[in-house]
Amino acid sequence: GAVVSQHPSWVICKSGTSVKIECRSLDFQATTMFWYRQFPKQSLMLMATSNEGSKATYEQGVEKDKFLINHASLTLSTLTVTSAHPEDSSFYICSASRPSGGAYEQYFGPGTRLTVT
Amino acid sequence: GQNIDQPTEMTATEGAIVQINCTYQTSGFNGLFWYQQHAGEAPTFLSYNVLDGLEEKGRFSSFLSRSKGYSYLLLKELQMKDSASYLCAALDSNYQLIWGAGTKLIIKP
Repeated sequence: GAVVSQHPSWVICKSGTSVKIECRSLDFQATTMFWYRQFPKQSLMLMATSNEGSKATYEQGVEKDKFLINHASLTLSTLTVTSAHPEDSSFYICSASRPSGGAYEQYFGPGTRLTVT
Repeated sequence: GQNIDQPTEMTATEGAIVQINCTYQTSGFNGLFWYQQHAGEAPTFLSYNVLDGLEEKGRFSSFLSRSKGYSYLLLKELQMKDSASYLCAALDSNYQLIWGAGTKLIIKP
């Protein structure tokens, strides 16, 4: 159990357009979902944390009007990159957590590679 | 501030043993995770320690010393497929994961 899917797995878009990425927990209800960005050869950078039905908490330096997060249900969260620019090109990974023996282990989706041309 | 330190890169030989160290400084502590990440893929869970001591899981073992703010991941009988980045992450008092930059492990035949 504890499978997280992400769609699309890769996307190429033109500068100025918006891209929506979906994250789903397939076989469990996720207490919280996280969105990360990872640039080549770097570690994960947490962008935002979201709980179902409430507004996402964004990390410092992440523009909430540019990266729109909607956590519609306990199994679905979406990240929309609005007015994308080439510098937004990155590997976007979501994760979902549930209490597991007292620890909030995160289960990661396969990631979405975004290329903005 | 909160900080996780781990070596940037390590090299080991197929069949050998390697230990990847991680030190952490966090606001509160609720456990330490190790994740494996192959290039171009998302991280996968390896281990979780919240009590002092060694946890063994097949070829992989993880150790924690809370008093020293220190953990290590031990990989035995190394295989070529173990070539990956290994991420150390500590869970702080707000149950937020603080991530290390990852250790790239290169396995040579």
